[in-house]
Amino acid sequence: EDQVTQSPEALRLQEGESSSLNCSYTVSGLRGLFWYRQDPGKGPEFLFTLYSAGEEKEKERLKATLTKKESFLHITAPKPEDSATYLCAAHPGYSSASKIIFGSGTRLSIRP
Amino acid sequence: DVKVTQSSRYLVKRTGEKVFLECVQDMDHENMFWYRQDPGLGLRLIYFSYDVKMKEKGDIPEGYSVSREKKERFSLILESASTNQTSMYLCASSSTSGIDHYNEQFFGPGTRLTVL
Repeated sequence: EDQVTQSPEALRLQEGESSSLNCSYTVSGLRGLFWYRQDPGKGPEFLFTLYSAGEEKEKERLKATLTKKESFLHITAPKPEDSATYLCAAHPGYSSASKIIFGSGTRLSIRP
Repeated sequence: DVKVTQSSRYLVKRTGEKVFLECVQDMDHENMFWYRQDPGLGLRLIYFSYDVKMKEKGDIPEGYSVSREKKERFSLILESASTNQTSMYLCASSSTSGIDHYNEQFFGPGTRLTVL
């Protein structure tokens, strides 16, 4: 069964303390791996798409990487405004019309 | 700036009422989606549409229907609302570029529906 699992469920860091969030996937013929940020009471906001193993993308303090089994979201020297829930999602190769599978998210909290 | 809008941010309805949630996107996207999000269960797909008047069931379609009469608008209908449909409802849209190349989804702000 296709599945996307994120860990940890919650992560509390001190401002400036770098860390990584994990997204493990078992999906047939991955066509894309997506990362989103979601603030409380709002819809998810798109961050990155990764298509093939070895690919990396960066945006400010965030860097996403992809292997054949998992993706990491690295956060370097985070600030309190980086506090949010981070979701990853995978698009299976067999899926029609963009049906993607979401993980349950990692709640990230950055203390000043 | 890309935009997906939803008709209400908060909605309170009574059991048995018919409820309409509307979503509009201004990006000329082919694909539109309705999800519900519940604590501990993540995002679950209710229905999606890849063209006008076309729809496909997602993972949890029971108790819901959808309508897409125009490309930019996708409506979710709760025929007879029940308390277990209390949830955050999120609409999203995406484009298709090339054969089988589906792009990222853009989400609306969500509608928090409470059914009493």
